Amino acid sequence: NAGVTQTPKFQVLKTGQSMTLQCAQDMNHEYMSWYRQDPGMGLRLIHYSVGAGITDQGEVPNGYNVSRSTTEDFPLRLLSAAPSQTSVYFCASSSRDRTQETQYFGPGTRLLVL
Amino acid sequence: AQSVTQLDSQVPVFEEAPVELRCNYSSSVSVYLFWYVQYPNQGLQLLLKYLSGSTLVESINGFEAEFNKSQTSFHLRKPSVHISDTAEYFCAVSEWDTGRRALTFGSGTRLQVQP
Repeated sequence: NAGVTQTPKFQVLKTGQSMTLQCAQDMNHEYMSWYRQDPGMGLRLIHYSVGAGITDQGEVPNGYNVSRSTTEDFPLRLLSAAPSQTSVYFCASSSRDRTQETQYFGPGTRLLVL
Repeated sequence: AQSVTQLDSQVPVFEEAPVELRCNYSSSVSVYLFWYVQYPNQGLQLLLKYLSGSTLVESINGFEAEFNKSQTSFHLRKPSVHISDTAEYFCAVSEWDTGRRALTFGSGTRLQVQP
């Protein structure tokens, strides 16, 4: 199993550009989520999904869109990039099984918005 | 709403010394508790978790954490640290009874083990 994969690893954008951060998992997990990590602030939840076709907002959703058309994929879209979106982005997935209750994280995407 | 407080942003310690990384949480419902570790330029790895049962949980590399419900704490300890334990450690919670299954993280504690 590859686990949770994220592409690209690094990205530089200009203010106003749009892009999609890709996330895929091969563990057949129902739950997927996106976090951003900023120095001194830990990880903050952007959006999450409890299954295909179902998404909801997290703590810091503004400027980001998500969709979940398949169980495996959960892309994060930046509609019009801003310098405040410079961050490291992590995707995570977990099983519906409560006895597992472990989130598996991808390696992250480092984004710089100029 | 739930929140997590990690009281120390950095903890310097000498190799083979004991260490405690502190974590307190607040929530209006019962929670699951986690410690994740992040090595430089890597993603997060689960270190240990408390779901139910014994309040003392252990990891395979010598860390342990104790859930204290009355003090709403989940402090991480290791009796003797190694250079390889140098990393950032995050405490996190998720709520029992919601379908959200997402984590609320503390701001992290950077453990710096010195020879």
